[in-house]
Amino acid sequence: AQSVTQLDSQVPVFEEAPVELRCNYSSSVSVYLFWYVQYPNQGLQLLLKYLSGSTLVKGINGFEAEFNKSQTSFHLRKPSVHISDTAEYFCAVSATGFQKLVFGTGTRLLVSP
Amino acid sequence: KAGVTQTPRYLIKTRGQQVTLSCSPISGHRSVSWYQQTPGQGLQFLFEYFSETQRNKGNFPGRFSGRQFSNSRSEMNVSTLELGDSALYLCASSLTSGGGYNEQFFGPGTRLTVL
Repeated sequence: AQSVTQLDSQVPVFEEAPVELRCNYSSSVSVYLFWYVQYPNQGLQLLLKYLSGSTLVKGINGFEAEFNKSQTSFHLRKPSVHISDTAEYFCAVSATGFQKLVFGTGTRLLVSP
Repeated sequence: KAGVTQTPRYLIKTRGQQVTLSCSPISGHRSVSWYQQTPGQGLQFLFEYFSETQRNKGNFPGRFSGRQFSNSRSEMNVSTLELGDSALYLCASSLTSGGGYNEQFFGPGTRLTVL
């Protein structure tokens, strides 16, 4: 079975500051890793994914994440956030061979001017 | 290309009733998955359908069921509603199934309130 831990339930940050949202996972098999964003009253939108290859993954809206196998982490980063980045961010994993996504509890990013 | 559509967007039911939610995947997508989102339990996988067959099922009681039609549209049904079934139900579609790496595209969800 897989599990995902997002330690920070809420991250406040000022506009144009850098941000890192943390994600750790646990699995006995190989997994694929994803970050999704959810804006109020909307569904989930994929930010980026790690399938294989380079451990640094670049996504949409200037976000990037680094896969660290030894630390079983997949932290999300953005060098300079905007007010519009205010949303809930979910880290998720899926095991090879299965379509099921296992999500973390989410991190609410609050960007203030 | 149109995205994933879910109907209705909002629904209010009373305990004991049953409800059917509908999901139309992106054209050409054959896999549809359903997720329940609540403040307490977060996002949880309900089930996945591919080619009209249930491929995978989450840890939910038998009151939760689903089906998929030949055009890949999917419905999920919850019978004998309980207060705890109040949630946002999200549908996600992907091109195919089984890989785990297939990107899932989410719909806006159906907000179910059980009174």
